[in-house]
Amino acid sequence: EVQLVESGGGLVQPGRSLRLSCAASGFTFDDYAMHWVRQAPGKGLEWVSGISWNSGSIGYADSVKGRFTISRDNAKNSLYLQMNSLRAEDTALYYCAKARTLQLWSNIDYWGQGTLVTVSS
Amino acid sequence: QSVLTQPPSASGTPGQRVTISCSGSSSNIGSNTVNWYQQLPGTAPKLLIYSNNQRPSGVPDRFSGSKSGTSASLAISGLQSEDEADYYCAAWDDSLNALNWVFGGGTKLTVL
Repeated sequence: EVQLVESGGGLVQPGRSLRLSCAASGFTFDDYAMHWVRQAPGKGLEWVSGISWNSGSIGYADSVKGRFTISRDNAKNSLYLQMNSLRAEDTALYYCAKARTLQLWSNIDYWGQGTLVTVSS
Repeated sequence: QSVLTQPPSASGTPGQRVTISCSGSSSNIGSNTVNWYQQLPGTAPKLLIYSNNQRPSGVPDRFSGSKSGTSASLAISGLQSEDEADYYCAAWDDSLNALNWVFGGGTKLTVL
């Protein structure tokens, strides 16, 4: 059974940093691309970033480009999102998500339960 | 606003057939496949349809997807109360200056 467990969320002041982690199990982690998708309170889904199986292809939404960095450690079956210069508009539930194949452009087929990030002074 | 356009709401009575539309452009729906997700209240999204019209195992055949040009549709037949949820379309966007996933704004389906 595919399991994706996010951690690292919390309350942080504007301008500060936070690092999210996602522990994956139930599948061969390094065979699949992975993504972060967020959902602001009461709003829709917004893709944040994605990384291919070997970290060779990485993409970011314009709203986070230059501030967020995605990475993965295939030896630890883990996905990360380093978030710097956080803004109030980054407040959201952040989902870790698995792609259907190893490429960035393959669709997401499994989602974690999310970790909440609140940016406020 | 979202790159893909969906109606904010839809409704139907039990047993009815409802459709939800998703409109995009040549850089996303026009050149890539469409996926649909169902998000029940208070839960994570779940994959409903991938590659325009394919259902993952376990998804009832009451759910179907189609695509034509730069638009796509999700159809739900034999509507049930447990279908009340938010529905999102998504597609890969490969415009010249960016490579990323784009979502619709979501459609809240109410079963009357």
